[in-house]
Amino acid sequence: EDKVVQSPLSLVVHEGDTVTLNCSYEVTNFRSLLWYKQEKKAPTFLFMLTSSGIEKKSGRLSSILDKKELFSILNITATQTGDSAVYLCAVEDMRGGSEKLVFGKGTKLTVNP
Amino acid sequence: DGGITQSPKYLFRKEGQNVTLSCEQNLNHDAMYWYRQDPGQGLRLIYYSQIVNDFQKGDIAEGYSVSREKKESFPLTVTSAQKNPTAFYLCASSIVGGYSNQPQHFGDGTRLSIL
Repeated sequence: EDKVVQSPLSLVVHEGDTVTLNCSYEVTNFRSLLWYKQEKKAPTFLFMLTSSGIEKKSGRLSSILDKKELFSILNITATQTGDSAVYLCAVEDMRGGSEKLVFGKGTKLTVNP
Repeated sequence: DGGITQSPKYLFRKEGQNVTLSCEQNLNHDAMYWYRQDPGQGLRLIYYSQIVNDFQKGDIAEGYSVSREKKESFPLTVTSAQKNPTAFYLCASSIVGGYSNQPQHFGDGTRLSIL
């Protein structure tokens, strides 16, 4: 059975700290790994990773994929209270020719002032 | 503005009642998806459709039904057979096919509760 495991499930930090969120996966027909940020409503897209070892960056956020060890990390440097959210990791599974996402349970990040 | 519109934002269901959640997109995406999210859980796939007039069951399709008569619309019906319907429902859409490398985009969700 395909699965995506995120850790930690919950994290509380102070503004200015750096955090690392983890995502490991077991998916039969991997195509890509995606990170989303979910505040109150719709998950918003952060990164899509398809190749190992290539870091993607957007401001204070960065992410990298290791396809040999089957995991990804999401780094947030100099955290701000606005980074408080649930961060979702999802893996695109091409089993049966259909493009489906398998989601982890998410990491709830709380950044205190 | 291109996007995905879900309505209503909040919905209450009585015992034995079917309710329908609306999802409309103007992104010209081929594929549409319905997910359910429970507290402390990730998103679980209910149904998806990659083309008009065709759809497939996801991991938790029991007690739900869908239709895809138009490219822009993918309504979800929560039937009385779904015994635990209280959840946050998210609709998504994406471009399909080949190596599009385009992510799924999400609507703002509908929160369904039992009366």
